[in-house]
Amino acid sequence: AQKVTQAQTEISVVEKEDVTLDCVYETRDTTYYLFWYKQPPSGELVFLIRRNSFDEQNEISGRYSWNFQKSTSSFNFTITASQVVDSAVYFCALSEAQSGYSTLTFGKGTMLLVSP
Amino acid sequence: NAGVMQNPRHLVRRRGQEARLRCSPMKGHSHVYWYRQLPEEGLKFMVYLQKENIIDESGMPKERFSAEFPKEGPSILRIQQVVRGDSAAYFCASSRTARTSGGTPETQYFGPGTRLLVL
Repeated sequence: AQKVTQAQTEISVVEKEDVTLDCVYETRDTTYYLFWYKQPPSGELVFLIRRNSFDEQNEISGRYSWNFQKSTSSFNFTITASQVVDSAVYFCALSEAQSGYSTLTFGKGTMLLVSP
Repeated sequence: NAGVMQNPRHLVRRRGQEARLRCSPMKGHSHVYWYRQLPEEGLKFMVYLQKENIIDESGMPKERFSAEFPKEGPSILRIQQVVRGDSAAYFCASSRTARTSGGTPETQYFGPGTRLLVL
């Protein structure tokens, strides 16, 4: 069965520090997609990235970067030079081909607190 | 360019009452998904609907919960005879399709959620 583990429940950093949020997943499917969503204090979920299982290239978007390692079943998320506005709960999620991609399996989330 | 709309944003019910949660998908989206977020937990899939059809309700409790997505109007998640354990945030997401023509999953875009509190 599919599973997503975010072992870090809460991380506190000071502004301008770099921070990495870990995500480890389990799936029997060979074709799957991984996602990161951000949930700011206002409560909505904001889509950040989608990555398929055949593309292990790292991705960078501004201060955000993602490291996908199939060998360790990990899809980690790094924020460089963190800012107070990055404070949020971050969720990693998995979508599998065998379910028709119709459902997302989420981790429990990592709460990131960035203080000035 | 409105996103996914959910109402109400907050709902308080007493035990035994009914709760109705509404979700209007993004324009052009005909696929709707409901997820529940219990305190300190990640989101858990409940049900996936297309217009007038329930496609997958494997995550929805068998009793007291129902969902619909009529031809006209929003999707409704209905909880009858609520209990304290139903207190949670309920999120709706929508996508244009489940998969693109190339076979990749469409990204699900989430609404702001409805916070249900059962007293």
